[in-house]
Amino acid sequence: SQTIHQWPATLVQPVGSPLSLECTVEGTSNPNLYWYRQAAGRGLQLLFYSIGIDQISSEVPQNLSASRPQDRQFILSSKKLLLSDSGFYLCASSSEGMAATTNEKLFFGSGTQLSVL
Amino acid sequence: SQQGEEDPQALSIQEGENATMNCSYKTSINNLQWYRQNSGRGLVHLILIRSNEREKHSGRLRVTLDTSKKSSSLLITASRAADTASYFCATEGNNRLAFGKGNQVVVIP
Repeated sequence: SQTIHQWPATLVQPVGSPLSLECTVEGTSNPNLYWYRQAAGRGLQLLFYSIGIDQISSEVPQNLSASRPQDRQFILSSKKLLLSDSGFYLCASSSEGMAATTNEKLFFGSGTQLSVL
Repeated sequence: SQQGEEDPQALSIQEGENATMNCSYKTSINNLQWYRQNSGRGLVHLILIRSNEREKHSGRLRVTLDTSKKSSSLLITASRAADTASYFCATEGNNRLAFGKGNQVVVIP
């Protein structure tokens, strides 16, 4: 099965500072990759997904961007953080080659708790 | 709009009792999945039920799907303190999963 490495576990950043969260995947190749954000006590909001290197789709307009420089590396970034960017960020990966069908589960990283002050 | 809305939002039960959670969705789906999240952690996949299936079992878990009512239920039998977590349903469509708000389940020893 897959292993999703996500770091850091917690992060406290001032408003206006940059952000870079990294996620790497082991145990599969050519996965679909996802960034979700979870507000306290809420469900998951899909931010970005990627079906391949340099192929990124954004789900909601926002202050964040994503990049996929390698097959199993997914990075979430911001040039200037806002207070509203605070939340729990989760990286997820699907089984390999599931761009056409998604009858498979997602594997999640352990998450990054971001606090913007 | 986000699919998957679990009901009830919070459930507190005694160890050994059964816990039932419901989820409704709005559009056609290929499958529906249930995930579990321990506090401050990532989600873990529990079970997947396809749109042409009506019921599925995995250990102490039982999932039902009613596509005519666009709803699903998750039953955890003989609950244990270790089952304390948040449970999310997720519906698959357009190459992505949409998650509901989740049910928080507390199992009291």
